[in-house]
Amino acid sequence: KNEVEQSPQNLTAQEGEFITINCSYSVGISALHWLQQHPGGGIVSLFMLSSGKKKHGRLIATINIQEKHSSLHITASHPRDSAVYICAVHSGNTGKLIFGQGTTLQVKP
Amino acid sequence: DTGVSQDPRHKITKRGQNVTFRCDPISEHNRLYWYRQTLGQGPEFLTYFQNEAQLEKSRLLSDRFSAERPKGSFSTLEIQRTEQGDSAMYLCASSPTWGATNEKLFFGSGTQLSVL
Repeated sequence: KNEVEQSPQNLTAQEGEFITINCSYSVGISALHWLQQHPGGGIVSLFMLSSGKKKHGRLIATINIQEKHSSLHITASHPRDSAVYICAVHSGNTGKLIFGQGTTLQVKP
Repeated sequence: DTGVSQDPRHKITKRGQNVTFRCDPISEHNRLYWYRQTLGQGPEFLTYFQNEAQLEKSRLLSDRFSAERPKGSFSTLEIQRTEQGDSAMYLCASSPTWGATNEKLFFGSGTQLSVL
């Protein structure tokens, strides 16, 4: 079992839908990142969380440290949101990052 | 552009050859990470540096892999005696000193290695 699990692995949505991507982890962490990777493109950091909730535009990220779970929400989804979304955690108090396998999102017009 | 830069973007080599990749992080970033990503998979941690010190190295890294960051600025990743299984995208990322309140990761565009 992977230390960081994402669900779903693949997600297809219609434009305008509310989207949720989940991340569960089994190790102690000091922070969690949500990353975005477009096909053939580089990786962009969306959020770094250590507690609570963060919002940026249509993106919202939450984390529950006790439940070892984080969610990334996209409101009013758009085809340009189509990408791979990756959850990564900082293990304990080291700098080592452990990545989830990614969630491939396709938003259809 | 003051982002993370990697060189080369693409590298094609024959099995058994040595290759070296370079990563230039954002100048004020103390942490530098190397990852490897194959098609359809999430990135795999390889190693990371705090300034010039290599703090951790993945068990995935065989003795054929070595990384350096001699002056705490740019880093190199060398693969000796390449094998076809080494074919992947090699990614570099940097971040400010650990503990910064708004620490994000900044990724380079990667070096795509193809071993024939």
